[in-house]
Amino acid sequence: QVQLQELGPGLVKPSQTLSLTCSVSGGSITSDNFYWSWIRQHPGQGLEWIGYIYSSGITYYKASLKSRLTISLDTSKNHFSLKLSSVTAADTAVYYCAREDRAAEYLQHWGQGTLVTVSS
Amino acid sequence: DIQMTQSPSSVSASVGDRVTITCRASQVISNWLAWYQQKPGKAPKVLIYAASTLQSGVPSRFRGSGSGTEFTLTISSLQPEDFATYYCQQSNSFPRSFGQGTKVEI
Repeated sequence: QVQLQELGPGLVKPSQTLSLTCSVSGGSITSDNFYWSWIRQHPGQGLEWIGYIYSSGITYYKASLKSRLTISLDTSKNHFSLKLSSVTAADTAVYYCAREDRAAEYLQHWGQGTLVTVSS
Repeated sequence: DIQMTQSPSSVSASVGDRVTITCRASQVISNWLAWYQQKPGKAPKVLIYAASTLQSGVPSRFRGSGSGTEFTLTISSLQPEDFATYYCQQSNSFPRSFGQGTKVEI
């Protein structure tokens, strides 16, 4: 059974870069069958899809975050990562990584989520 | 981008009630719609995908229907473990987008 786990600091200072890793077990991130995705949820709010990376390295980012966002793959460690630069308090959220099935096109597996607070 | 609008934003119900949640897409998305359930402090869990396909292990009291721009999630007989927030999400195109959520509470 595939499992995903978000790893990274829970506190980031304003203007710095938020960096998270999603460790994947029980499946390979080199599989052609999935999109590896990031979703965030501001405190008390709904879900916001951020972007994905495919096994080939192709990415798609939400337009409003595109200038600050990088999603990458590390096949040697079987994980993928999110970097969000120049963060502000508005980036405070629970960040989830998830795997989307390319055929059925739904987010089948999710990490447990990690709260990242942007504060000095 | 496709906008997803859910209604109602919250619903008060009792155990055994039938609950219906509606999701509208701002453009045609065929049947590329999923429903997720989220409990406090937990990650969302998929209930329904392709508008009406029940995810393995999900109780049959959950039913999804619709196509095009209008979709519904129906819980036929609400159970205590169903009190949660429900989200629809379109997967017709990128960027993916979610509805704002419907909180089902006692």
